[in-house]
Amino acid sequence: AQTVTQSQPEMSVQEAETVTLSCTYDTSESDYYLFWYKQPPSRQMILVIRQEAYKQQNATENRFSVNFQKAAKSFSLKISDSQLGDAAMYFCAYRSDNAGGTSYGKLTFGQGTILTVHP
Amino acid sequence: GAGVSQSPSNKVTEKGKDVELRCDPISGHTALYWYRQSLGQGLEFLIYFQGNSAPDKSGLPSDRFSAERTGGSVSTLTIQRTQQEDSAVYLCASSLSGGRGNTIYFGEGSWLTVV
Repeated sequence: AQTVTQSQPEMSVQEAETVTLSCTYDTSESDYYLFWYKQPPSRQMILVIRQEAYKQQNATENRFSVNFQKAAKSFSLKISDSQLGDAAMYFCAYRSDNAGGTSYGKLTFGQGTILTVHP
Repeated sequence: GAGVSQSPSNKVTEKGKDVELRCDPISGHTALYWYRQSLGQGLEFLIYFQGNSAPDKSGLPSDRFSAERTGGSVSTLTIQRTQQEDSAVYLCASSLSGGRGNTIYFGEGSWLTVV
């Protein structure tokens, strides 16, 4: 079974600064996707960014980018120019693309990192 | 609808009572998921529906939990004889299909409190 580990229960950053959230995962599969979700106090899980495992290029979405190290099974999220609205809990998630496998299609989440943004 | 819709938003129930939580996925999405999020915790997978295939129930914590999906659309999660440890946010999500990395979209959740 796959596991996802977020070793930072809490992180803080000053507004306009850069912060990196860590995520590692364990899998024996070769086909999978990785995601970062944001959960503000409203509880709505919002997709921040996704990475296909077969792509070497790191995904980027505006101020959000990832550092995907497939061999090390590491998937960190970098938030540049942090804004007050970035404050939330961030979840790293793994999704198998191994059709026929027991985990196919399901998301496996890490424990989350609470990000605080200071003005 | 525009997004995944869940009801009720909040539910307080007495220990031992049954509850039903409803999820209306995004139109056209064949994959539907239920997750549970306990206070300050990560998300725990409960059950996964994909089209007409038999659901993956591997995450249901006990036989008090069940879910169905009628007509390939709306889903109901039922918890029988609720216990205090069932208190959590129950999140529903849907995607176009179970694979190909399709984005999974979440509803706002149903907050269940068992007293």
